[in-house]
Amino acid sequence: NAGVTQTPKFQVLKTGQSMTLQCAQDMNHEYMSWYRQDPGMGLRLIHYSVGAGITDQGEVPNGYNVSRSTTEDFPLRLLSAAPSQTSVYFCASSARSSYNEQFFGPGTRLTVL
Amino acid sequence: QQQVKQSPQSLIVQKGGIPIINCAYENTAFDYFPWYQQFPGKGPALLIAIRPDVSEKKEGRFTISFNKSAKQFSLHIMDSQPGDSATYFCAAVSSNTGKLIFGQGTTLQVKP
Repeated sequence: NAGVTQTPKFQVLKTGQSMTLQCAQDMNHEYMSWYRQDPGMGLRLIHYSVGAGITDQGEVPNGYNVSRSTTEDFPLRLLSAAPSQTSVYFCASSARSSYNEQFFGPGTRLTVL
Repeated sequence: QQQVKQSPQSLIVQKGGIPIINCAYENTAFDYFPWYQQFPGKGPALLIAIRPDVSEKKEGRFTISFNKSAKQFSLHIMDSQPGDSATYFCAAVSSNTGKLIFGQGTTLQVKP
C-alpha cells in the first residue's frame, strides 16, 4: 500500500495562475479531505468528501474547488492563485467507520509570488 | 473563529519532564477528540484519542484527560524523551459530519 500520495511536493506559482494539487489513496477510504497548514493557525479544513460524487466545504473553502469522481482521487484546484494561498497543503483519508483516524499524505508546499 | 483552541503555542522541557498541552472546544456536537503528532516535513499521524464519556485514557507514556463539563481536554507526556520533540495537534470531530477540526498546534522540544 502506498497510502496517501500527493503531487507535486513543491510548487511555485505567480499570482493569477491556476493549478491542481493531486491526491490519491489506495486504501478504499470513503472519506477524503484537504487541509492547509500555516504557522500559528494549525491545520484548517478546506474541503472534504464523504464519497465519490459528494463534496462539501470546510472552514476555509474560498479560492479552492474540488471534485470526487472516483473513490481513489480527490484533486484540489486553485483557479486564480493569490499570495494568501501560500501554505503547506495536506490531503487525508479515512474509512467512514473510523473518521477520527485520518491518514495524511506528505504534503505539498505551495508558494504564490 | 477557532472552534478548537490549543495552548501553549510552544513548550520546552527537559528529558524526563511531563509536558502538558491543553485544548478547549465550544461545539457540544463534537463526540471524538483525537491528538495528532507531526514531525518536521511529514504529515500528522494519529497519536491517541478519547470519547467524551471517558475522563482519562492512557496509551504508553501518553495520557489524555477529559473534562466534559468544562469542555476541555489535555495531553500529558510522561517521562518525555528527545524523540517526542514534534508538533502536537488536538482535534475534535462530530460523527454527524465527519469533519475533523484541529487546534492551532503546540511545538514541543524535549532537551536531552
